[in-house]
Amino acid sequence: RKEVEQDPGPFNVPEGATVAFNCTYSNSASQSFFWYRQDCRKEPKLLMSVYSSGNEDGRFTAQLNRASQYISLLIRDSKLSDSATYLCVVNAEAGTYKYIFGTGTRLKVLA
Amino acid sequence: SAVISQKPSRDICQRGTSLTIQCQVDSQVTMMFWYRQQPGQSLTLIATANQGSEATYESGFVIDKFPISRPNLTFSTLTVSNMSPEDSSIYLCSVERTGASTDTQYFGPGTRLTVL
Repeated sequence: RKEVEQDPGPFNVPEGATVAFNCTYSNSASQSFFWYRQDCRKEPKLLMSVYSSGNEDGRFTAQLNRASQYISLLIRDSKLSDSATYLCVVNAEAGTYKYIFGTGTRLKVLA
Repeated sequence: SAVISQKPSRDICQRGTSLTIQCQVDSQVTMMFWYRQQPGQSLTLIATANQGSEATYESGFVIDKFPISRPNLTFSTLTVSNMSPEDSSIYLCSVERTGASTDTQYFGPGTRLTVL
């Protein structure tokens, strides 16, 4: 089983749609969770950290389910500019800097 | 966040040669990281570079192939030695920043390397 697993997509959705991505992780000791966004031929950029209580940033909502070891990202009212690859990132062990990256989920928002 | 620059942004190199990639940060950081992203893959950590000590390499990566320097708190280099086509990849440096509740990593723009 991969350490961090994501559905690669692509997810093709119309503008204005709501889309959700899930990510599962294998190490129950992981403590830090993130969603990064990577545009084609660009570096990954932090989208949001994921907290136990869940958190929201505008149209983006992240949830963490420790019992089932999965993380989700919900995007509401999709914009064309949301088209990118979304990377799920988990730290390898509590208190370490070692990040494990998922292979990413590709989203394409269509006009 | 952090402003991170990398040089070169891209290069095409011959098999058997070496390339040194530079990473410059706009402020002092304790830890700098080097990643590789092969075509169609996600990021893989190569090593962690702390100022004043030897870099710590991840499984599958060795110092002879990927020597790293960290002469001060704002700069690091990664050398890809004796290159082969399998080394064609994007190489990214990152730094860790302490946030409100957790540390996060910020990435440089990457160096796209093609080995012929």
